Amino acid sequence: QVQLVESGGGVVQPGRSLRLSCAASGFTFSAFGMHWVRQAPGKGLEWVAVIWYDESKKYYADSVKGRFTISRDTSKNTLYLQMNSLRAEDAAVYYCGRDYNFYMDVWGKGTTVTVSS
Amino acid sequence: EIVLTQSPGTLSLSPGERATLSCRASQSVSSNYLAWHQQKPGQAPRLLIYGASSRATGIPDRFSGSGSGTDFTLTISRLEPEDFAVYYCQQFGGSLWTFGQGTKVEIK
Repeated sequence: QVQLVESGGGVVQPGRSLRLSCAASGFTFSAFGMHWVRQAPGKGLEWVAVIWYDESKKYYADSVKGRFTISRDTSKNTLYLQMNSLRAEDAAVYYCGRDYNFYMDVWGKGTTVTVSS
Repeated sequence: EIVLTQSPGTLSLSPGERATLSCRASQSVSSNYLAWHQQKPGQAPRLLIYGASSRATGIPDRFSGSGSGTDFTLTISRLEPEDFAVYYCQQFGGSLWTFGQGTKVEIK
């Protein structure tokens, strides 16, 4: 079945880096764009970044632009989010989502990032 | 950036009642790019409606979406116990995706 599994979350100090992964299975990964969406504790959903199916385009929310980088490895069916210069406000559950006609039709269960000294 | 404003913030209803959730956009949104997602506590979101009015695979027909331009609505015709959750509208426009702040449907 179609599945997305995030990993790589953890506790990190402010200013440090972390890389999240999202392993995809059950569908042709190379044919779909992919998103990262986050949810701070007790808050709503915030879109973070998207990468086109062929990596030709990448877009970011203003809140992470210049600090986060989205990428993918088709040979490994894996999506990544490199997060640098982390701030307290980046603490959240990070979800990956498959793009289908500009909405997220499949979601992973999420991985938690805590930013604390 | 298109801002989505959902109302009400919380809807208190009883099972069997009808729920009407509103999503208003700060500028016109293509109906093709308006979706609704459901999220239960401790769970990932789940796609309910796409293209403003099409139900995603496996979604019961008590869920329906409507609207165009800047005003969109999600209706749950008869609330089942499993429908009490938070609902988010989501849109794509100008190379950005945005979500509304969510409407919580709680048991009265």
